[in-house]
Amino acid sequence: EVQLVESGGGSVQPGGSLRLSCAASGFTFRGDWMHWVRQAPGKGLVWVSRINGDGSTTSYADSVKGRFTISRDNAQNTLYLEMNSMRDEDRAVYYCARARSGSRNALENWGQGTLVTVSS
Amino acid sequence: QSVLTQPPSASGTPGQRVTISCSGSSSNIGSSTVNWYQQLPGTAPKLLIYRNDQRPSEVPDRFSGSKSGTSASLAISGLQSEDEADYYCAAWDDSLNGVVFGGGTKLTVL
Repeated sequence: EVQLVESGGGSVQPGGSLRLSCAASGFTFRGDWMHWVRQAPGKGLVWVSRINGDGSTTSYADSVKGRFTISRDNAQNTLYLEMNSMRDEDRAVYYCARARSGSRNALENWGQGTLVTVSS
Repeated sequence: QSVLTQPPSASGTPGQRVTISCSGSSSNIGSSTVNWYQQLPGTAPKLLIYRNDQRPSEVPDRFSGSKSGTSASLAISGLQSEDEADYYCAAWDDSLNGVVFGGGTKLTVL
């Protein structure tokens, strides 16, 4: 069974940093594209970033480009999102998601999400 | 303002067929496949349709997807109370070099 478990959420001040982790199990982690998607309270889904299987290719939403960094440790089956220079508008539940095998963007499995709040 | 446009709400009675539209442009739906997600209240999203019209094995065949040009649609037949949820379309956007989501459609089963 595929499992994705996010951690690392919490409260941070504007301008601060936070690192999210996503522990993956139940599939060949190094073989699949992985994504981060966020959802502000009461709002819709917003894509944040993606990374390919060996970590050599990444993409970011314009709203986080230059501030957030996606990475992965295939030996530890873990996905990361390093968030710097955080803003009020980064407040959201952050989901990690696995793309369906053979697909880059069809997000077949999702974690339960981790809440990030940005407040002074 | 989402790149993909969906109606904010839709409704139907049990047993009815409802459709949810998703409008985009040549840089996203027009040049990429569309995926649909269902988000039940308080839960993580679930992949409903991938590659325009393909269903994961666990998704009932009451759900179907289609795409034409720069628009896509999700159809739900034999509407059930448990279908009450938010539905999102998504596609890769070549201009933005990222995934774009629709704003979501809240489906109410009357």
